[in-house]
Amino acid sequence: GIQVEQSPPDLILQEGANSTLRCNFSDSVNNLQWFHQNPWGQLINLFYIPSGTKQNGRLSATTVATERYSLLYISSSQTTDSGVYFCAPLVGNQFYFGTGTSLTVIP
Amino acid sequence: EAGVVQSPRYKIIEKKQPVAFWCNPISGHNTLYWYLQNLGQGPELLIRYENEEAVDDSQLPKDRFSAERLKGVDSTLKIQPAELGDSAVYLCASSLDSYSYNEQFFGPGTRLTVL
Repeated sequence: GIQVEQSPPDLILQEGANSTLRCNFSDSVNNLQWFHQNPWGQLINLFYIPSGTKQNGRLSATTVATERYSLLYISSSQTTDSGVYFCAPLVGNQFYFGTGTSLTVIP
Repeated sequence: EAGVVQSPRYKIIEKKQPVAFWCNPISGHNTLYWYLQNLGQGPELLIRYENEEAVDDSQLPKDRFSAERLKGVDSTLKIQPAELGDSAVYLCASSLDSYSYNEQFFGPGTRLTVL
């Protein structure tokens, strides 16, 4: 199956800082989702993005399917951004999750 | 609009006991997924339903795991008998379908501890 690599695995930020999370995948994909898993374990949808760039408030995502990667940008980070960020590329009818980037935002 | 509902949220059992998890997807969503999430890992697909049909159960350990979605709405995942290694979070997700409208939405999960 597809290999999904996320980097960095861990990230600690001061509140207000910006960051970029990366998702590399080894195969052609039909679509891709980004999720935030909060400290209570709930997976929250961030972006549904097969290609191009989308923005939602302080977050934006870019997927370059031809080069097999996606990026998640977080600007002006807040403590509530803490948690684990997962990308999940879609191959066929199945989503494959990476191991995530664990983000801690300190006040 | 209500999200994906799962119950129970937490379950503690002794090994060799049976356990069942219940999921009610978002209304109108035809596709339902069960995932397993181990600590420090991303979710892994166990089974995918299109309406009441299990269309992908290749990763479901069928010797002890079973699932059903009898009326194409809610679903139950069962483990019998449970083993220590089954301790994990079991996540349910749904989407309109698994083709053009396949954005997934997740429930809060059931955290299983097997003693």
